[in-house]
Amino acid sequence: EDQVTQSPEALRLQEGESSSLNCSYTVSGLRGLFWYRQDPGKGPEFLFTLYSAGEEKEKERLKATLTKKESFLHITAPKPEDSATYLCAVQAGGTSYGKLTFGQGTILTVHP
Amino acid sequence: GAVVSQHPSRVICKSGTSVKIECRSLDFQATTMFWYRQFPKKSLMLMATSNEGSKATYEQGVEKDKFLINHASLTLSTLTVTSAHPEDSSFYICSAIAGAGWNEQFFGPGTRLTVL
Repeated sequence: EDQVTQSPEALRLQEGESSSLNCSYTVSGLRGLFWYRQDPGKGPEFLFTLYSAGEEKEKERLKATLTKKESFLHITAPKPEDSATYLCAVQAGGTSYGKLTFGQGTILTVHP
Repeated sequence: GAVVSQHPSRVICKSGTSVKIECRSLDFQATTMFWYRQFPKKSLMLMATSNEGSKATYEQGVEKDKFLINHASLTLSTLTVTSAHPEDSSFYICSAIAGAGWNEQFFGPGTRLTVL
């Protein structure tokens, strides 16, 4: 059974204080690992897809990296508007129709 | 691009009634759509996979007779919660796959269902 575990559950940062969110996974043949941002009362917003170990992707203050067992979402010099829940999900190889398995999310709060 | 909409955004209904939620892909054709349920401060739980022109595939533990899914066109899937009860109150979110490679999923804004 595919499993995704995110840590920490909640993270409080001061504006400008860089940090990382972790996503550990076990999956039978990874097809893709996805990062989403979710604001309260809204649907997830797509951030990144990573396909193979060693891959990195960046978008503004966010950088996602991938190893064979985990992924990190690095946040550099965060701003209050980066406050949100960050979700990690995996898609297993051979899975029909692109089914995703989500972690429980990390609630990020950035204080001014 | 890759915009997914849901309607309604919020619905309040009485126990025993049925509620229909629409999910539309606005600027692309989606052969596959997914329906998720999310409880407060919890992650997304896949309920079913919806394929255009065929029966939906439900996850284990999801009652197919209670959560009716119809994917009548390449841009529209509907979820009907039949004979709703208070325990069905939740945040329902749909997603759609854009493109032939079925990689990135794009999510709708969600529908908040409250059953009184």
